[in-house]
Amino acid sequence: DAKTTQPPSMDCAEGRAANLPCNHSTISGNEYVYWYRQIHSQGPQYIIHGLKNNETNEMASLIITEDRKSSTLILPHATLRDTAVYYCIVIGGATNKLIFGTGTLLAVQP
Amino acid sequence: GAVVSQHPSRVICKSGTSVKIECRSLDFQATTMFWYRQFPKQSLMLMATSNEGSKATYEQGVEKDKFLINHASLTLSTLTVTSAHPEDSSFYICSARGLAGGPGEQFFGPGTRLTVL
Repeated sequence: DAKTTQPPSMDCAEGRAANLPCNHSTISGNEYVYWYRQIHSQGPQYIIHGLKNNETNEMASLIITEDRKSSTLILPHATLRDTAVYYCIVIGGATNKLIFGTGTLLAVQP
Repeated sequence: GAVVSQHPSRVICKSGTSVKIECRSLDFQATTMFWYRQFPKQSLMLMATSNEGSKATYEQGVEKDKFLINHASLTLSTLTVTSAHPEDSSFYICSARGLAGGPGEQFFGPGTRLTVL
């Protein structure tokens, strides 16, 4: 079973920041938070991952709370091409398989 | 990033026939490959995990005799849907993980859409 909870859908205006929340209150100390996205009818795409510290790459930023029970994926300037289902996945330790939950459908509006 | 290809991208077959789907890691060696299935408007469901040279490990509820997985080399895994039926129509996606990278770093193929008539 997925260990994360995400809102089913969100809207964002083009050019604005998209903030996608994820709850993972049962995360263990050696488990990572990974974010993937799936554009319609394509394979998932890796976005970013983190353990404790906040992370940033060319695609997004990941903010993890100090207690590690939740995180937020930030797309700083959303474009129409960012419309996709975003999955937050906890993995590591004894878990070495990506188990996808229902994710958040982000709709970027023009 | 690393590239994973799948072939074919789309296949239509008659009920009762078998269909083979190939998954290749093009620029890295995949020690582990995964097969997922996705029905319309649903999330991805992990079917099985395969390590090169070993038998695949199937998730609960997945029939291993129906979904044959072979991972004969570090760059190729195949999924064969045997005696396909209309309920097997789905989007099949493979992913691959190399030696480097974190536990959740997998590279996904573009998917294969199977339609069984």
